[in-house]
Amino acid sequence: SSELTQDPAVSVALGQTVRITCQGDSLRSYYASWYQQKPGQAPVLVIYGKNNRPSGIPDRFSGSSSGNTASLTITGAQAEDEADYYCNSRDSSGNHRYVFGTGTKVTVL
Amino acid sequence: EVQLVESGGVVVQPGGSLRLSCAASGFTFDDYTMHWVRQAPGKGLEWVSLISWDGGSTYYADSVKGRFTISRDNSKNSLYLQMNSLRTEDTALYYCAKEGSFGDVAFDIWGQGTMVTVSS
Repeated sequence: SSELTQDPAVSVALGQTVRITCQGDSLRSYYASWYQQKPGQAPVLVIYGKNNRPSGIPDRFSGSSSGNTASLTITGAQAEDEADYYCNSRDSSGNHRYVFGTGTKVTVL
Repeated sequence: EVQLVESGGVVVQPGGSLRLSCAASGFTFDDYTMHWVRQAPGKGLEWVSLISWDGGSTYYADSVKGRFTISRDNSKNSLYLQMNSLRTEDTALYYCAKEGSFGDVAFDIWGQGTMVTVSS
């Protein structure tokens, strides 16, 4: 099965911009979706498809993709954005299977 | 309100069995593919299984294939995960998740999870 690799942790100053990346072979064929998870809470979908936000997700969250890398950008990070972020995509080695990234802890300073 | 509520998580011995349930409300359950995703304590998310809207297609992660069975009862708006031959590495918080109707696969609604602990 394929893997999706993320940096374990990143930090960003309040109000600044942070980019979280996700690398994997499957991303050459499929878009990633992105999930925010705060301590003790279930994940929340923040980005799906090419660059789509579900209702209620602030427009400071955006997504992009190039080659085998998908990115989630938070423009003007807020204190409430401090969380773990996971990417997800289909597994390129087998249809109808899915894989999550290793997760990135975002700290807002 | 769109909601998923999992239940059935307990402490079970290695080799034991368990059935998890997920009750759905606030949306037309039988329109959607449903998934199970798990998270071991302090670890990341792991996709476990999916079932199509009508139950006709099911898929599993290699780590659970042959041991877990996903099913649904659309008349009861419920999703299930039968877990057999449990191992200590199956210890995790198990989430059910609804697949959105976006074209691209994404999990737009999640439950709060039910904890399964496999320990002697």
